Amino acid sequence: EIVLTQSPGTLSLSPGERATLSCRASQSVSSSYLAWYQQKPGQAPRLLIYGASSRATGIPDRFSGSGSGTDFTLTISRLEPEDFAVYYCQQYGSSPPGGLTFGGGTKVEIK
Amino acid sequence: QVQLQESGPGLVKPSETLSLTCTVSGGSISSYYWSWIRQPAGKGLEWIGRIYTSGSTNYNPSLKSRVTMSVDTSKNQFSLKLSSVTAADTAVYYCASEDSKLHYFDYWGQGTLVTVSS
Repeated sequence: EIVLTQSPGTLSLSPGERATLSCRASQSVSSSYLAWYQQKPGQAPRLLIYGASSRATGIPDRFSGSGSGTDFTLTISRLEPEDFAVYYCQQYGSSPPGGLTFGGGTKVEIK
Repeated sequence: QVQLQESGPGLVKPSETLSLTCTVSGGSISSYYWSWIRQPAGKGLEWIGRIYTSGSTNYNPSLKSRVTMSVDTSKNQFSLKLSSVTAADTAVYYCASEDSKLHYFDYWGQGTLVTVSS
């Protein structure tokens, strides 16, 4: 099973600052199969990024994804008040075939 | 716009079987994979498994021995059964549509809390 490790666990920042979230995989992941989600309390996760760098419909361009192989990054260029939430990365791969895992999450909190 | 809605008992006794159904509206159940994902309170997301409209399935290896998924295309529904539940299975259970090519989840149900307790 491919394990995704997200860091840091918590990120304390102020509105307007830049947020950089890391997702590291225990084995190489195809960029096509790496996604990022945002989750707010009491809500279902919302798709932000798929294919490592493609923004989902309606997602503001302050959200961007990058990376390849085992290291992926979600960047929020300037934090808006509504961006304080928990973020998860997710991969689909071949170990095992058809397997799918999520990272443990990074909480972005107001400093 | 595709909408998903989970339904089923909110309380299940230990050792019994958890059963949930997800109803899909606003679109056809065809051409997608359909997944179940759960989240214990205050914890992260865990993928349980997926089913395609053909009936083919993939399950999380850690749950595989206890999970059964099915699909009813005539009702635009798919279902989850998780047997021999314990308190560790207490969680919010989400159903979601999984893109069949890139395997991301674009539509989610609101989630339903299932508590395992006697």
